[in-house]
Order: sequence, then structure tokens, then C-alpha cells
Amino acid sequence: EIVMTQSPATLSVSPGERATLSCRASQSVSSTLAWYQKKPGQAPRLLIYGASTRATGIPARFSGSGSGTEFTLTISSLQSEDFAVYYCQQYNNWPYSFGQGTKLEIK
Amino acid sequence: EVQLVESGGGLVKPGGSLRLSCAASGFTFSHYSLNWVRQAPGKGLEWVSSISSTSSYIYYADSVKGRFTISRDNAKNSLYLQMNSLRAEDTAVYYCAREISNWGLDYWGQGTLVAVSS
Repeated sequence: EIVMTQSPATLSVSPGERATLSCRASQSVSSTLAWYQKKPGQAPRLLIYGASTRATGIPARFSGSGSGTEFTLTISSLQSEDFAVYYCQQYNNWPYSFGQGTKLEIK
Repeated sequence: EVQLVESGGGLVKPGGSLRLSCAASGFTFSHYSLNWVRQAPGKGLEWVSSISSTSSYIYYADSVKGRFTISRDNAKNSLYLQMNSLRAEDTAVYYCAREISNWGLDYWGQGTLVAVSS
């Protein structure tokens, strides 16, 4: 089973600033890594797939990078609607697995 | 427009059973793998189960293996999750999600709440 570890657990950033979220896999998942945004009472939203490809309709301020075991989600200039919990997920091997999440909060 | 609508959640006693359904529309249902993902109160997302487009491949998380059964009916555009021997730790919002190969889970339903309590 592949364990996904996200850091930090909570990130406090001011609107307009850059946020960098990390995700580490316990073994290589190649580029089969997705990022999701989750807000309370809403369904998760796919942001990034294939480690670096933005999903349909996702703003260009969201970018993903990495491969193998180390991945990063960057939000270049935070908007008010970006404050949420972010999850990484590997879909390289079953069982699929999510990280524990990073809560992005307003500073 | 792609839509996934879960139903069947509710309050059940420990040891009880429940069957969740997910009705799909707006896409060719039989072409896609589907997944169940859950989120317990105050916790993160947890993958539960996957089923391939023709039901040839089925996978479960260890936490539900032997108790939950995923299935689908491509003629009815519906996904199911039969949950038996329910435990308090199965309390969660359960989401169905469409999977595109090499893309991850691109569309999600709004979820249905399952509460296991005596």
C-alpha cells in the first residue's frame, strides 16, 4: 500500500501571496498523481492530474509539479475562493490513496 | 452536463446493512470506471472501492474488504455499494466519482451521509 504524506497540515497565507503545498509518496507513483480542492459541504474538485496538467476550467494560477515520490501544488496568487483543504491522491496502484490534506487558511 | 447523484444513506445500527446508489447522467456510463470515496466527520478523504467499466476489475480498501460490495448496472446508468456489518467507523459522507484513466477522479457527486450508531 502506498502512503501519501502531505505537508504542512495547515498553511496560513495572505490573499495575493503564493502558496506551496507538498505531497510525498512512500514509493514511486510515476506521474499518476492528482490534486483536489475540498470545501465544506461541497464535493471534491479535481484541480491537477498527471502531476502537472490542469483539469478543465481550472485557473492558470494553479500549477503542479513533480514525479516519482515528490510533488508540489503551487497557487501563484491566492484568491479568497482558494482557501480550502487540498488533497493529493495517487492512482498508480490499488488501493488508491489520498494524503491527509493541507488546510489553506487566510493569514 | 455530467451528473452523479448518490442516495441511500441514513442512520443504521452497528452490524446493520445499507445499500448506496449513484445515478449517473450526461455521459456514456458504460465507458468509465467508477469509485466510492468517503469522508468521516472532521477527517480526510478515504478511497473505498473501484469498479471498471465492464465490472471486470474490482478493488477495495482493506478497511472495507469482506464487508462492502461494489457493483454497477450499465443498462440503468447506476453504481451501487452494498455495505454489510457496518461499524461506527464507517460513519461518513460517501461520494461516487467518475474515473478517467490517467486523469484521476474528474466528476464527483454531492455525497450521501451514512451514520452508524446505536
